[in-house]
Amino acid sequence: DAKTTQPTSMDCAEGRAANLPCNHSTISGNEYVYWYRQIHSQGPQYIIHGLKNNETNEMASLIITEDRKSSTLILPHATLRDTAVYYCIVREYSNNNAGNMLTFGGGTRLMVKP
Amino acid sequence: DTGVSQNPRHKITKRGQNVTFRCDPISEHNRLYWYRQTLGQGPEFLTYFQNEAQLEKSRLLSDRFSAERPKGSFSTLEIQRTEQGDSAMYLCASSFRSYGDAGELFFGEGSRLTVL
Repeated sequence: DAKTTQPTSMDCAEGRAANLPCNHSTISGNEYVYWYRQIHSQGPQYIIHGLKNNETNEMASLIITEDRKSSTLILPHATLRDTAVYYCIVREYSNNNAGNMLTFGGGTRLMVKP
Repeated sequence: DTGVSQNPRHKITKRGQNVTFRCDPISEHNRLYWYRQTLGQGPEFLTYFQNEAQLEKSRLLSDRFSAERPKGSFSTLEIQRTEQGDSAMYLCASSFRSYGDAGELFFGEGSRLTVL
C-alpha cells in the first residue's frame, strides 16, 4: 500500500508556482521521498527525490519538513505542459537485491489553466 | 531514441487468447520492472528482474502471467487465456542499480491491452 496521502486534484494558473503537498507521516529513516509525474497516455517520468534536505533541479524543487512527515513539490513557473498526475512516493533504499520498487498511490491531478 | 521501448503499443484481443508484450530497456540497465495500470489508478507493481533473474513477483501476477528476461536484456510479459479484467496499460521500467545509488526508474510509454 502507498504510504503517502495527496489531494486528488489541484488547479494552477499558467506562469504561477504550483505547490503540490504530500503527507508521509509514517516515513522511516531509510526511506526517500520521490516524485514522478504522468502526462496523459505516457509512462511516469521521474522529477526529483530527497531524503531530508531540500532539493532543486531543472524541473522542480522539493521541500521536506524537518520531521520528514510531509513534503511539497514546487513547479516554479507552471506551463500548460505541466498538466499531469503527480505521484509522491516513499521508497526504501537499501544496498541489497531488494527491488526498491515504487509503490504508487492515486496521485494529484494537476490542471494548469491559461 | 535510447529510452525504454515497448511493443506493441496497442493490442486488442478476444477473451481467451494469449498475448505477449515486449520491453527493451535502456542499454546496460540491469534492473527491469513490469507494472500494470488501469484507468484512473496509479501503476501497480507486477514483477522485477535483476539481470536475468526474476527476484520479486506481486500477488497480482496470477499463474496466467509469465515474464522472462532470458539474456538480461529485453523482457517479455505473456498473458495466457486473457480475461476482460486484464484490460489495462502494461508499463515497463528499467534502472541501473549500483552500490550507493537509489536508482531512478525510467518508464516506457506502455502497451495498452483491450480484451473484448
